[in-house]
Amino acid sequence: DAGITQSPRHKVTETGTPVTLRCHQTENHRYMYWYRQDPGHGLRLIHYSYGVKDTDKGEVSDGYSVSRSKTEDFLLTLESATSSQTSVYFCATIGVGQGYYEQYFGPGTRLTVT
Amino acid sequence: DQQVKQNSPSLSVQEGRISILNCDYTNSMFDYFLWYKKYPAEGPTFLISISSIKDKNEDGRFTVFLNKSAKHLSLHIVPSQPGDSAVYFCAAGRSQGNLIFGKGTKLSVKP
Repeated sequence: DAGITQSPRHKVTETGTPVTLRCHQTENHRYMYWYRQDPGHGLRLIHYSYGVKDTDKGEVSDGYSVSRSKTEDFLLTLESATSSQTSVYFCATIGVGQGYYEQYFGPGTRLTVT
Repeated sequence: DQQVKQNSPSLSVQEGRISILNCDYTNSMFDYFLWYKKYPAEGPTFLISISSIKDKNEDGRFTVFLNKSAKHLSLHIVPSQPGDSAVYFCAAGRSQGNLIFGKGTKLSVKP
């Protein structure tokens, strides 16, 4: 358990509204990731961060932006939510000294865009 | 183009028997492979991994086999227990790269 929390855990929003999801970790892990999970698609990487203010795009980054102003928080923003962004969103981290690829995941945020 | 494929969306096994979950990959540059387990309404949890220099890794009831020539890995669970019922994700990565996940296989272990 890497002390990862996500907020909110559930959210319903309307198309066109901005939405920000928060990932908070207490282990001082350097790498943080945002994934989305959809039926028939598994887990797909949206954005990731390799340090404060250092972020990069993943496989499905269109329509999403991220920010990391401090080590413990990684924010995912949907500037104008669309129905195709209805999904379960997971945050993950890797710490120094762990197996390089062994990511710890948060509990997830279920987002519904109506 | 899917780089990591789990071709069986679901698998049903009797308690006490062996569960075999399969995963194929296309990128020969992958050098590390992992299995994650996911229960409903929870985040995935790391289960077991194997590096490309090995062909087998064992942890209790869980064993992962890697066949590099066939670009295939499998997860064996022996004996299967009802608590093993979950979705299992295969993932692959390479140095300085990110993980690529398969679509998952839902395992049901019947008492």
